[in-house]
Amino acid sequence: KQEVTQIPAALSVPEGENLVLNCSFTDSAIYNLQWFRQDPGKGLTSLLLIQSSQREQTSGRLNASLDKSSGRSTLYIAASQPGDSATYLCAVKYDDYKLSFGAGTTVTVRA
Amino acid sequence: GAGVSQSPRYKVTKRGQDVALRCDPISGHVSLYWYRQALGQGPEFLTYFNYEAQQDKSGLPNDRFSAERPEGSISTLTIQRTEQRDSAMYRCASSLDSTGLTEAFFGQGTRLTVV
Repeated sequence: KQEVTQIPAALSVPEGENLVLNCSFTDSAIYNLQWFRQDPGKGLTSLLLIQSSQREQTSGRLNASLDKSSGRSTLYIAASQPGDSATYLCAVKYDDYKLSFGAGTTVTVRA
Repeated sequence: GAGVSQSPRYKVTKRGQDVALRCDPISGHVSLYWYRQALGQGPEFLTYFNYEAQQDKSGLPNDRFSAERPEGSISTLTIQRTEQRDSAMYRCASSLDSTGLTEAFFGQGTRLTVV
């Protein structure tokens, strides 16, 4: 079974600071890795999808990197805003359909 | 529809009752997944459909849980004789194809509470 770990479990930063969220996984034979945002009482919103052949993906202030050999992905959020406060989940697809999730990092951006 | 739709959003049921949770995937999406999420944890895989075929049900906790997708679109997750430990957020997701390369989109979930 693919183990996915997210560290830290929680993070609090002042507005404007850059965020760095870490995700590690045990098996490098993955199809892709997806970062999600979870808001209380709402669904999971897909942020970025990185295929196994890619090293990074960018969308606006978000940038995600993937290093399969070391089993790591990092999500960078530039110039954080209070609206970025949420739980961020990393999910690894290690066969053609099953996603294995980490427990998430809960981010608080202080105004 | 525009996104994955789940109903009901909230369900409170008495222990021992059966419940049916519905998922309406994004139109045209071939793959459909059910996950369960406990508080403070990431979602855990329950079952997967490719069109109407249930390809994997290895994540279903026991035989009280079943799922179907008879016409390859809407899916229903049924829990019989509910127990308090079944209380959780149940999430449905769909993706365009079964290649493993496409993005998974999740619905808003059904919060199940068994009292």
